[in-house]
Amino acid sequence: GAGVSQTPSNKVTEKGKYVELRCDPISGHTALYWYRQSLGQGPEFLIYFQGTGAADDSGLPNDRFFAVRPEGSVSTLKIQRTERGDSAVYLCASSSAGTDTQYFGPGTRLTVL
Amino acid sequence: GENVEQHPSTLSVQEGDSAVIKCTYSDSASNYFPWYKQELGKRPQLIIDIRSNVGEKKDQRIAVTLNKTAKHFSLHITETQPEDSAVYFCAASGRGGADGLTFGKGTHLIIQP
Repeated sequence: GAGVSQTPSNKVTEKGKYVELRCDPISGHTALYWYRQSLGQGPEFLIYFQGTGAADDSGLPNDRFFAVRPEGSVSTLKIQRTERGDSAVYLCASSSAGTDTQYFGPGTRLTVL
Repeated sequence: GENVEQHPSTLSVQEGDSAVIKCTYSDSASNYFPWYKQELGKRPQLIIDIRSNVGEKKDQRIAVTLNKTAKHFSLHITETQPEDSAVYFCAASGRGGADGLTFGKGTHLIIQP
């Protein structure tokens, strides 16, 4: 079956602009996670959704970052007033109810000029 | 919060030899420990995981051991092959995976022919 997909695969923007990154989880997966991976580092947790609600947003670095999952499937990560330090690969993962395994998408490479 | 340390950062072994990567974690409440393999430019892929009620798990050439008392876990790869070359990440989670993962910084495994 189809895995986790993310769009766009690459996004180049200018400092101060607004961006939206999309994640399509595996069909039927109730849990969805966003991570950020900087070069040479492990993924860093940002936010976790169980269904439509954010169960844990403790990893969001500041209030410029926001994520939604209005229908419990697709999720959008929104970044306002982008800064050069936001440049990274943004990874999405999903898992099915009652299981531990998180399946990752290919990521969106965000570059802020 | 959870902190995961991973060593070594780079590991070079001869093809056919074994490789061992070690991780320690700080939160005694963590109970799920996956290992991911990430090739350059690709998504992290789960290769094996272990839960805190088990001390060891094997899957063909790959094994993971967990010492809850010492709060450390290790990945063992035997009979290494060129396709094992990649970056490996350990991770820990506090609620059986229904929680964001905290990752180590990764180990770049190089298999020398």
